[in-house]
Amino acid sequence: AQSVTQPDIHITVSEGASLELRCNYSYGATPYLFWYVQSPGQGLQLLLKYFSGDTLVQGIKGFEAEFKRSQSSFNLRKPSVHWSDAAEYFCAVGMKTSYDKVIFGPGTSLSVIP
Amino acid sequence: DGGITQSPKYLFRKEGQNVTLSCEQNLNHDAMYWYRQDPGQGLRLIYYSQIVNDFQKGDIAEGYSVSREKKESFPLTVTSAQKNPTAFYLCASSPRDRGGYTFGSGTRLTVV
Repeated sequence: AQSVTQPDIHITVSEGASLELRCNYSYGATPYLFWYVQSPGQGLQLLLKYFSGDTLVQGIKGFEAEFKRSQSSFNLRKPSVHWSDAAEYFCAVGMKTSYDKVIFGPGTSLSVIP
Repeated sequence: DGGITQSPKYLFRKEGQNVTLSCEQNLNHDAMYWYRQDPGQGLRLIYYSQIVNDFQKGDIAEGYSVSREKKESFPLTVTSAQKNPTAFYLCASSPRDRGGYTFGSGTRLTVV
């Protein structure tokens, strides 16, 4: 069965430090992949997406993610974290079935220390 | 600007009452979705609709109902049969071309 795991439930980083959020997926075919961010009490906002081509994907707010097929991973990175990046981050795997089905990971909560 | 509007932002319901959550989009997206979000459980799919007048159950449809009479609108009714309705509800839409979901800002439902 298709699934998405985010091994880190919660991460704390200092402002200005680099960030990497991990995401692993299980899917038999080539997936299309997403990262979303959610601020408290808000909906989810799309950060970036991978469909095909270049495995390093640039997104909004200075985020990037790298698709590694051999590791079934799609980790999210940012070179320098800002306090406003504190939020919940969701990795998601999409697949074409009878509809545009997307499976979300459980989320990683990011705290930023000033 | 195009987007998805969910209303109300906060909703209180007495036990035994039905309540309807509104979701409207002006993105011309074909598909619309309802998710429920509980702490520590991520997002769980309630219902989805690919076209007008058609919708399908998701993973946790019991106690919920939907309609899709217009492309722009996908209201969710939480019925009295839903045993634990207190949660954060998110509506989303997507285009045909794997563009990813656009989410509304959510409705927090509390049963009192």
